[in-house]
Amino acid sequence: QKEVEQDPGPLSVPEGAIVSLNCTYSNSAFQYFMWYRQYSRKGPELLMYTYSSGNKEDGRFTAQVDKSSKYISLFIRDSQPSDSATYLCAISEGGRRALTFGSGTRLQVQP
Amino acid sequence: DARVTQTPRDKVTEMGQEVTMRCQPILGHNTVFWYRQTMMQGLELLAYFRNRAPLDDSGMPKDRFSAEMPDATLATLKIQPSEPRDSAVYFCASSGEETQYFGPGTRLLVL
Repeated sequence: QKEVEQDPGPLSVPEGAIVSLNCTYSNSAFQYFMWYRQYSRKGPELLMYTYSSGNKEDGRFTAQVDKSSKYISLFIRDSQPSDSATYLCAISEGGRRALTFGSGTRLQVQP
Repeated sequence: DARVTQTPRDKVTEMGQEVTMRCQPILGHNTVFWYRQTMMQGLELLAYFRNRAPLDDSGMPKDRFSAEMPDATLATLKIQPSEPRDSAVYFCASSGEETQYFGPGTRLLVL
């Protein structure tokens, strides 16, 4: 079993839809939770960063962490075609420590 | 606009040749990571440094891979000899606090 599990998709939604992306993890020592967006042939771009449990909102993006369930989510409101990319969850035991990545979910937002 | 830079962006080589990839971290970041991305394995840590000292290289095949930080502005990853199974995208990331910022990657194809 991988330390971080993520549904690879692809996930196809119409423009304007709310998108929910999720990861589960097994190591309770993980404390830092991040979401990266990766466009084709580009490097991962940091979207959201959360320490410990709770919610964090940034514009159309909301990240949620439930440490009791070992479950993290990213919500995208009013999705746009420009949101079409692969979304990677990434988790770490501590600041400036190595990240363990999910396999990534490929999202396609249809105009 | 501070960003991680990597060279070369693309590299095609023949099996048995030496490959050197270079990374310039964001100025002031003291932690540098090397990751490898493949379709089958996703993003995996190869090695990382803090203040130029290696902290973890357990993800790296020791017989052919080597990573160094000659100075604070340059990290290198070498493969000698290269093999077709090394074909992947190699990312460098740097971190000053809790989050990591990725470079554009070096796309390596070993024939």
